[in-house]
Amino acid sequence: QKEVEQDPGPLSVPEGAIVSLNCTYSNSAFQYFMWYRQYSRKGPELLMYTYSSGNKEDGRFTAQVDKSSKYISLFIRDSQPSDSATYLCAMSGRQGGSEKLVFGKGMKLTVNP
Amino acid sequence: SAVISQKPSRDICQRGTSLTIQCQVDSQVTMMFWYRQQPGQSLTLIATANQGSEATYESGFVIDKFPISRPNLTFSTLTVSNLSPEDSSIYLCSVVIVGVGNQPQHFGDGTRLSIL
Repeated sequence: QKEVEQDPGPLSVPEGAIVSLNCTYSNSAFQYFMWYRQYSRKGPELLMYTYSSGNKEDGRFTAQVDKSSKYISLFIRDSQPSDSATYLCAMSGRQGGSEKLVFGKGMKLTVNP
Repeated sequence: SAVISQKPSRDICQRGTSLTIQCQVDSQVTMMFWYRQQPGQSLTLIATANQGSEATYESGFVIDKFPISRPNLTFSTLTVSNLSPEDSSIYLCSVVIVGVGNQPQHFGDGTRLSIL
């Protein structure tokens, strides 16, 4: 089992839809959870950064972490064509004296006007 | 937030040659990293660039193939040596500006490398 699994997509939705992006993980040492947005021909851009379980909201974006289920989600409300991008989940935690950031493979989202 | 500049943004190289990629940040950072991003794959950490000392490489990556320098807090280079078609990929540098340990990381826009 991979450390981080992300829904493969691609996902296509109409403008205004609520989008749910999800990742599961297997490593209990993960404590920090991130979502990155990557536009075509650009580097990943940090979108949300959370620690431990719970919800974090930033405008139309909500990041949710459920450590008991080892499951994280990113919700996008009132999706816009400008949200069309690849979304990467990432997580980090200390294990065996070292710490590494582990990424999902990414899901490509298209929001159609 | 910091501006992370990578050069070149893209290149096409011949087999057997080498390419050096530069990463410059406009503010002091605590940590710098180099990643590879291949189509359909997760971002893969190549190494941690350590200021004034040898980089720390991940399993599967060696210094002879991917020599890295970091002469100061804001600049690093990654060289991909003896290029082969399998090296065609996007190479990204990332930095930690303010954070805990090795995150959150912020990325440059990457170098798109193609091998003829």
